[in-house]
Amino acid sequence: GAVVSQHPSRVICKSGTSVKIECRSLDFQATTMFWYRQFPKKSLMLMATSNEGSKATYEQGVEKDKFLINHASLTLSTLTVTSAHPEDSSFYICSAAGQGAFGSYNEQFFGPGTRLTVL
Amino acid sequence: GDSVTQMEGPVTLSEEAFLTINCTYTATGYPSLFWYVQYPGEGLQLLLKATKADDKGSNKGFEATYRKETTSFHLEKGSVQVSDSAVYFCALSRGSYIPTFGRGTSLIVHP
Repeated sequence: GAVVSQHPSRVICKSGTSVKIECRSLDFQATTMFWYRQFPKKSLMLMATSNEGSKATYEQGVEKDKFLINHASLTLSTLTVTSAHPEDSSFYICSAAGQGAFGSYNEQFFGPGTRLTVL
Repeated sequence: GDSVTQMEGPVTLSEEAFLTINCTYTATGYPSLFWYVQYPGEGLQLLLKATKADDKGSNKGFEATYRKETTSFHLEKGSVQVSDSAVYFCALSRGSYIPTFGRGTSLIVHP
């Protein structure tokens, strides 16, 4: 199957700083990438959907000015948590969907996740 | 709208026991159905999928059959191992619509 990487895998930062998380599709072109936040009781919350070259579509309740998403190429999307606070501490997971040999929009390939801890 | 309902966990079993994790869905049309597995500290991995009614997805000893008449996609394994301990997510997707996930079911397997 397709491979999606995330970097960093773990980050600890001070309150008020900004943190950037990268999501890369390593062996296919991801026309669409998704960003999820996973809460302690394991449920996944879709934060936003990003399509290459266009603005991300945010789910209701997600602050777009706080969670900046950029999908500048078919293999890279970034999530920047701006002015992070302790309540932003969470496990952030990206996924990618593409067309062609590695699947349709139906199937998502997930990154390994990024554990963010804001002190 | 679309929804996926999974049984509440955790499911706790002894090694070699039979596993069933229930999943039912609500969707219009003919969605594709998926089971994902998340091992501790990792992202989600696709475990198996089925794209049409009566299809059976299978992988690593796990199976699930797409039952349109009961709108279900229950996950089964005949003999679980400690290494199967993880969180399992049922999901559906309809074409270009954003996939819908269940809340996940934790499986704990004791030696």
